[in-house]
Amino acid sequence: DSGVTQTPKHLITATGQRVTLRCSPRSGDLSVYWYQQSLDQGLQFLIQYYNGEERAKGNILERFSAQQFPDLHSELNLSSLELGDSALYFCASSAWGQENSPLHFGNGTRLTVT
Amino acid sequence: GQQLNQSPQSMFIQEGEDVSMNCTSSSIFNTWLWYKQEPGEGPVLLIALYKAGELTSNGRLTAQFGITRKDSFLNISASIPSDVGIYFCAGYYGGSQGNLIFGKGTKLSVKP
Repeated sequence: DSGVTQTPKHLITATGQRVTLRCSPRSGDLSVYWYQQSLDQGLQFLIQYYNGEERAKGNILERFSAQQFPDLHSELNLSSLELGDSALYFCASSAWGQENSPLHFGNGTRLTVT
Repeated sequence: GQQLNQSPQSMFIQEGEDVSMNCTSSSIFNTWLWYKQEPGEGPVLLIALYKAGELTSNGRLTAQFGITRKDSFLNISASIPSDVGIYFCAGYYGGSQGNLIFGKGTKLSVKP
């Protein structure tokens, strides 16, 4: 158990809809990352937050947004969903800010857009 | 931008064989991480490397931080069926509060 909790585990929704994915980082970790993984693909970095502030942005679509709250949990909002957004979405946390800390991943949310 | 070249892309081996995979870059990295992902789960950290030349083992797994700081390899000895999965390398560049990038993964299949 990595200590990173993601909910929900599965999400099925229709095109055009909006969903929110939630992540609770490991206790003590200030940094949260979001990654997208499509079928048999690698990990595509979306965005990183550190202690509530956006720290780095990757290939995140304008239809997607994220935030990190004062209690350090994070939410990834996906809107105007398209079929191609179907993927596994992973959250990871680390102690970034003190050292080059390893990321610890949650078990992901599997999003299916129909 | 920065890139990590991970190879091979996939491997099909017989149980009991040794496995070797690597990551290379044209840039210098100051931390290397190796992860394993099993189907339907998130990547799990296997080994972290912080110094050039460092050699670290975790059971049957051994990883090394290349002396040039531009590469790393992971070896698995005497593979077993539960070694099946996707192995990712990742590296930090740009200082002690650096940026992290992932390789595209090596998919390992083991025949019993």
